[in-house]
Amino acid sequence: QLQLQESGPGLVKPSETLSLTCTVSGGSSSSSTNYWGWIRQPPGKGLEWIGSIHKSGSTYFNPSLKSRVTISVDKSKNQFSLNLSSVTAADTAVYYCARGACSGGNCYSGVFDYWGQGTLVTVSS
Amino acid sequence: EIVLTQSPGTLSLSPGERATLSCRASQSVNSDYLGWYQQKPGQAPRLLIYGASSRATGIPDRFSGSGSGTDFTLTISRLEPEDFAVYYCQQYGSSPWTFGQGTKVEIK
Repeated sequence: QLQLQESGPGLVKPSETLSLTCTVSGGSSSSSTNYWGWIRQPPGKGLEWIGSIHKSGSTYFNPSLKSRVTISVDKSKNQFSLNLSSVTAADTAVYYCARGACSGGNCYSGVFDYWGQGTLVTVSS
Repeated sequence: EIVLTQSPGTLSLSPGERATLSCRASQSVNSDYLGWYQQKPGQAPRLLIYGASSRATGIPDRFSGSGSGTDFTLTISRLEPEDFAVYYCQQYGSSPWTFGQGTKVEIK
């Protein structure tokens, strides 16, 4: 059973960079799908797609965050990572990593079938 | 950006009843790339439906999706106690991928 686990600081100061890592276990980050993604959810609110990465390293970002986001993949460690720079209180959210779903030989960057449990990141001084 | 509007905001039903959730897009969703997720408090979303009508692996057949273009529906044929949750639709046909604001299905 594929499992994803987010890790990283739970508290980040305003203007600093939020850095999270997602570790994939029970499968390979390079073989089980073509895409991995990050999604966030502010407390009590809805879901927002942050960005996705293809196993080749190609990235796709939400334009609302694009100038501040980088996503990378480390196949050797079965991990992919999110960096969000210049954070403000508006970036306080539960951050999820997830796997792009595949069906019939097609894999998708925008629909997600396995999710991590999520990690709350609070932006505060 | 495609805006998804879900209705109703809250659905109050009893176990065994049928639930019908609506998701309307501000413009046509390419290739009917529309998914539905279930989320319970403190848990990650769970993919139920992708491609508007295909059930994800392990999803019971009481969950069904339909629709195309701008109007989509998630139907739960007979509500089980574990189905009371928040449901989100999401389009992945046009970047940025966007989610609806959610429909809460609560016990009446």
